[in-house]
Amino acid sequence: QITLKESGPTLVKPTQTLTLTCTFSGFSLSSSGAGVGWVRQPPGKALEWLALIYWNDEKRYSPSLRTRLTITKDTAKNQVVLTMTNMDPVDTATYYCAHRLYGWGIRGDSFDVWGQGTRVTVSS
Amino acid sequence: QSALTQPPSVSGSPGQSVTISCTGSSNDVGDSNRVSWYQQPPATAPKLIIFDVINRPSGVPDRFSGSKSGNTASLTISGLQAEDEGVYYCSSNTGSRTLVFGGGTMLTVL
Repeated sequence: QITLKESGPTLVKPTQTLTLTCTFSGFSLSSSGAGVGWVRQPPGKALEWLALIYWNDEKRYSPSLRTRLTITKDTAKNQVVLTMTNMDPVDTATYYCAHRLYGWGIRGDSFDVWGQGTRVTVSS
Repeated sequence: QSALTQPPSVSGSPGQSVTISCTGSSNDVGDSNRVSWYQQPPATAPKLIIFDVINRPSGVPDRFSGSKSGNTASLTISGLQAEDEGVYYCSSNTGSRTLVFGGGTMLTVL
């Protein structure tokens, strides 16, 4: 059974750096095809994809946030870390990490298992 | 990259069918068969219901089906049930292997 759980601060001040950790179980991020992504959702608004890291350490970032985001993995600890710099009140959202669906013949990047999400508020 | 375009809301009566559209461009939806659909009930994490345009993960009823024509993907839900209510999102890979979501469509079962 695959599970993921996000952890990190619930409140950050403007201009600070946010660090979120996704701790997962039930799969290995060293398995060919595996990946973990981050998606956020401001209150009452749509999902927004942030970043994705693959088993081979390839990384993809949202073009609009690329300069502020860094995604890394620790395969031994079964963790993926997302950092976002220069936080602003508009970054207030629920942040989700999710497991990338992979297997023979699967072509796209979709997320079949999600964490419960962690709410982050940006305020002074 | 711009968000994919979805209608804000759709509705239907139990037993009926509804279709939700997702319009992008030749750089995303039209680029390849890498479109997914998610269902999000209130205050819950999204659930994957369609991947690679037409495929259902195990456990998703065959009432849910996906298709694509050109730059527009569609999700059809047949035999509507009250439990289908929620917000539906499409997503697509882009030509540069990034991802983009749609703005979401609220489904109301009348």
